[in-house]
Amino acid sequence: AQSVTQLDSQVHVFEEAPVELRCNYSSSVSVYLFWYVQYPNQGLQLLLKYLSGSTLVESINGFEAEFNKSQTSFHLRKPSVHISDTAEYFCAVSGSGGYQKVTFGTGTKLQVIP
Amino acid sequence: DVKVTQSSRYLVKRTGEKVFLECVQDMDHENMFWYRQDPGLGLRLIYFSYDVKMKEKGDIPEGYSVSREKKERFSLILESASTNQTSMYLCASSLATSFSYEQYFGPGTRLTVT
Repeated sequence: AQSVTQLDSQVHVFEEAPVELRCNYSSSVSVYLFWYVQYPNQGLQLLLKYLSGSTLVESINGFEAEFNKSQTSFHLRKPSVHISDTAEYFCAVSGSGGYQKVTFGTGTKLQVIP
Repeated sequence: DVKVTQSSRYLVKRTGEKVFLECVQDMDHENMFWYRQDPGLGLRLIYFSYDVKMKEKGDIPEGYSVSREKKERFSLILESASTNQTSMYLCASSLATSFSYEQYFGPGTRLTVT
């Protein structure tokens, strides 16, 4: 069985400040890790993913996440947030072999304050 | 560009009604999923399908059924709607070979059962 814990349900940060959204997972097998973003009144879209290789992965809009196997974490960071980053962010995990379903966390709502 | 569409953005039904939620994807994806999204609970998998006429139960299948007669269409059926099925319903699709790659989501259907 696998699970995901997002430690913060809501995060408020001022514009241009850094942000970290925390994600911890548990799994008995090797994992793939994902961050999805949901903007208001929209479906989820993939922000970034870790499948293998470099433990630091980046998105095109300045977010990054680092896979830490020893800490079983996959925290999402951005050095300087914009108003447009206001959204809900979901961490997700799946096993890395065969048909493995994806388990989503409960989400973190990021509110960027002007 | 992958597109996943859902038949309704908002739906209001009465208790006991039979409800159909339709999802269509245009990218020839083999895998399709139905989730429900509730505040504080994140996304929970109801059913998924990895081929036409194939279906598998997810984590919370009770009270739901699904149909996949064509590759591009995946329907979620509430046989007798109840108030505890009031929720946001999200459909997603992904390529075959593994469930562990990107899932593409529709915009969601907000269902209210009164």
